[in-house]
Amino acid sequence: AQSVAQPEDQVNVAEGNPLTVKCTYSVSGNPYLFWYVQYPNRGLQFLLKYITGDNLVKGSYGFEAEFNKSQTSFHLKKPSALVSDSALYFCAVRVPMNNNAGNMLTFGGGTRLMVKP
Amino acid sequence: SAVISQKPSRDICQRGTSLTIQCQVDSQVTMMFWYRQQPGQSLTLIATANQGSEATYESGFVIDKFPISRPNLTFSTLTVSNMSPEDSSIYLCSVVWGHYEQYFGPGTRLTVT
Repeated sequence: AQSVAQPEDQVNVAEGNPLTVKCTYSVSGNPYLFWYVQYPNRGLQFLLKYITGDNLVKGSYGFEAEFNKSQTSFHLKKPSALVSDSALYFCAVRVPMNNNAGNMLTFGGGTRLMVKP
Repeated sequence: SAVISQKPSRDICQRGTSLTIQCQVDSQVTMMFWYRQQPGQSLTLIATANQGSEATYESGFVIDKFPISRPNLTFSTLTVSNMSPEDSSIYLCSVVWGHYEQYFGPGTRLTVT
């Protein structure tokens, strides 16, 4: 079974400072990894993904994430946080297989990012 | 990317009644998913809906409670039946786009009183 852990319920950071939102995963096989953001009263928006290749992936709104296979982590980062980045962030994993289960995304519990002016 | 719309965006319903949520995609997709997000919680997969076959439900979810239709490649409905306050959640439909990416609708916020 696959699982995702986001160890921090909330991350507080000052505007202009770098931010990191942590994610670790547990899967059998090679994972596809994703980050989504959810703004208040909105659906989930896709931020970025890791499928294969370069371990550092860049996504929307200046976010990036680094895939670390040895640590089974996929932390989300941004060099300089904005107040508008304040939202709920979800890490998700999928292990590709040729059946319905292989298309199932498993989500972490979510991390609320608060960026203060 | 796929653009997904849901109706209604929110509703307040009385216990014991049923609500049908509609999901429309602007492109044909093979697989559609329905998720539930309870207040302050993460997303939990309810079922996978493929066109032309019965939906596949995850553990803890049954067809009698959450019947799903998938009449074509751009549309699906989820019904929440015999509702109780515990069903108060955001319900989201989702599609896989291409090989990797999964997109979500804006969600339907359901409150059961």
